Amino acid sequence: DADVTQTPRNRITKTGKRIMLECSQTKGHDRMYWYRQDPGLGLRLIYYSFDVKDINKGEISDGYSVSRQAQAKFSLSLESAIPNQTALYFCATSKQGYNQPQHFGDGTRLSIL
Amino acid sequence: AQKITQTQPGMFVQEKEAVTLDCTYDTSDQSYGLFWYKQPSSGEMIFLIYQGSYDEQNATEGRYSLNFQKARKSANLVISASQLGDSAMYFCAMTPYPGRDDKIIFGKGTRLHILP
Repeated sequence: DADVTQTPRNRITKTGKRIMLECSQTKGHDRMYWYRQDPGLGLRLIYYSFDVKDINKGEISDGYSVSRQAQAKFSLSLESAIPNQTALYFCATSKQGYNQPQHFGDGTRLSIL
Repeated sequence: AQKITQTQPGMFVQEKEAVTLDCTYDTSDQSYGLFWYKQPSSGEMIFLIYQGSYDEQNATEGRYSLNFQKARKSANLVISASQLGDSAMYFCAMTPYPGRDDKIIFGKGTRLHILP
């Protein structure tokens, strides 16, 4: 089983719909992250959480919200989806420390029509 | 603010040749971490190698090594004896010193094509 699991893997939806992307991990890491990837722009940080009560905005948080339901679960919501939120979304986890790599889920490919 | 620059959007390399992927960074911190990740066409992100800013020796992991030049603020990835399976996107990333408010950042990536 994957250590970092994202659901769904693919989603197509319409403008204005509310969408939730879920991430769960079995690695026991305190830190969790949500990124989006667009062609030519690399990965951009949306939100990150260092523990259940510590949630922080990243580079591009507008239009998104998150919930850290437990140490192992971190959800990303698009309250009213718009087409320019079409992207590949990644959840990642890490231990504390600047020498710790991030461990990524397989990604959610989201298309907003 | 911190910044990562990968100046090579794409590269074509003959199989079995060595490859150097460039990464320069900008930070005012003395303590930080540098990472390289690989993203194959299947989409997953795979951690390759780590270099700490205070590490005196260049990091190595199998065929991967990191050419770290702190004064030049560069952290180039070297892949020796390239293989067809090395064809992928490669991302350089930097983590700030704990306690700083700076965010973890990624470069825009380099797409590597290995030619048979």
